[in-house]
Amino acid sequence: GDSVTQMEGPVTLSEEAFLTINCTYTATGYPSLFWYVQYPGEGLQLLLKATKADDKGSNKGFEATYRKETTSFHLEKGSVQVSDSAVYFCVLSPGNQFYFGTGTSLTVIP
Amino acid sequence: SQTIHQWPATLVQPVGSPLSLECTVEGTSNPNLYWYRQAAGRGLQLLFYSVGIGQISSEVPQNLSASRPQDRQFILSSKKLLLSDSGFYLCAWSVPLGRAYEQYFGPGTRLTVT
Repeated sequence: GDSVTQMEGPVTLSEEAFLTINCTYTATGYPSLFWYVQYPGEGLQLLLKATKADDKGSNKGFEATYRKETTSFHLEKGSVQVSDSAVYFCVLSPGNQFYFGTGTSLTVIP
Repeated sequence: SQTIHQWPATLVQPVGSPLSLECTVEGTSNPNLYWYRQAAGRGLQLLFYSVGIGQISSEVPQNLSASRPQDRQFILSSKKLLLSDSGFYLCAWSVPLGRAYEQYFGPGTRLTVT
């Protein structure tokens, strides 16, 4: 069945470091892929999305490219800030169902 | 624009007591609605989803139930809470946008069962 495998955390980085959070998926058909962010004590917010192969989603300096050949959707940011500290979820959606990764906790230290 | 409301924001209930959490969506029609639970430091577990009034699908057998009495209202209930029901409960909605569905979450309810 459809599923998402996400990089285990927690991840701790210094401010201005480069961030990569790995995400790979298993799916039949042509699902959409998303990254959500959850700040402490809050609900999840949609960070970025890609709906077809080779699409690049981007928002707030974060980017992820839908790679069908490697079944991946890795999240990257060139220079993280303290305010980026949160939990990040990779999500796959073949339609009106959503499959979540286990989440990766990121802490950015000054 | 669409907004989603959940209440209460926090709740402390004794074991064996009933539960009712409410979620309402504004600014959209015929949304798919979802209830998730997130245990401390864990990922999301889908509890229920609904594609229309009175149509509820349960993903995990448990002592919780859900109802959708109106198009944009989704209620999570329990007759008798267990300690293991503690967690962060999230309501979400989705609608098709272009060739994909997008899902949006409410602010959540933190439930502590004592």
